[in-house]
Amino acid sequence: KQEVTQIPAALSVPEGENLVLNCSFTDSAIYNLQWFRQDPGKGLTSLLLIQSSQREQTSGRLNASLDKSSGRSTLYIAASQPGDSATYLCAVGGSRGSTLGRLYFGRGTQLTVWP
Amino acid sequence: NAGVTQTPKFQVLKTGQSMTLQCAQDMNHEYMSWYRQDPGMGLRLIHYSVGAGITDQGEVPNGYNVSRSTTEDFPLRLLSAAPSQTSVYFCASSYSNQGYEQYFGPGTRLTVT
Repeated sequence: KQEVTQIPAALSVPEGENLVLNCSFTDSAIYNLQWFRQDPGKGLTSLLLIQSSQREQTSGRLNASLDKSSGRSTLYIAASQPGDSATYLCAVGGSRGSTLGRLYFGRGTQLTVWP
Repeated sequence: NAGVTQTPKFQVLKTGQSMTLQCAQDMNHEYMSWYRQDPGMGLRLIHYSVGAGITDQGEVPNGYNVSRSTTEDFPLRLLSAAPSQTSVYFCASSYSNQGYEQYFGPGTRLTVT
């Protein structure tokens, strides 16, 4: 069964720092990997989607990389701002049979950026 | 586009009551799914559908029923609510189950007393 781990569980940094959030998964047979942001009491907002054949994706100050063979992804946030404070979730997409379309989630990294 | 919508936002049930959580999407997506989110755990898949008339079980299906009579709607039914079903429920959709981006609704916070 696919297991997804996110490290660290929580992170508190001053504004302006560059950050790296880590995600690892046990089964490299994935279709894709998706990073989400979740604000308290809200739904999930998709940040970046990386297909299994890709190495990275970028959107604004966010850059996500994927190393499928080693089962790792990182989300890099440049020049962090207080508005980046949220929980960041990593999810891998199943690639075989009944797992197609299924997302396996980590428990998230709770990020606080203080002014 | 409204995206993925869910109703109600909040609900309190007594043990043994039944109810339906509504989910709708206006993106003509074939794949829809339901997840629950509990403190300290990742989101877990309850049921999913690859198209109208086709549904299947996920990781934690017990106590829940689904149906998919239209492409747009995918309701989740709690048959006889239990305190263990206290959770936040999210509906998601994507174009298909072949690696497309998934979009989530705002969630329904359910408390069973």
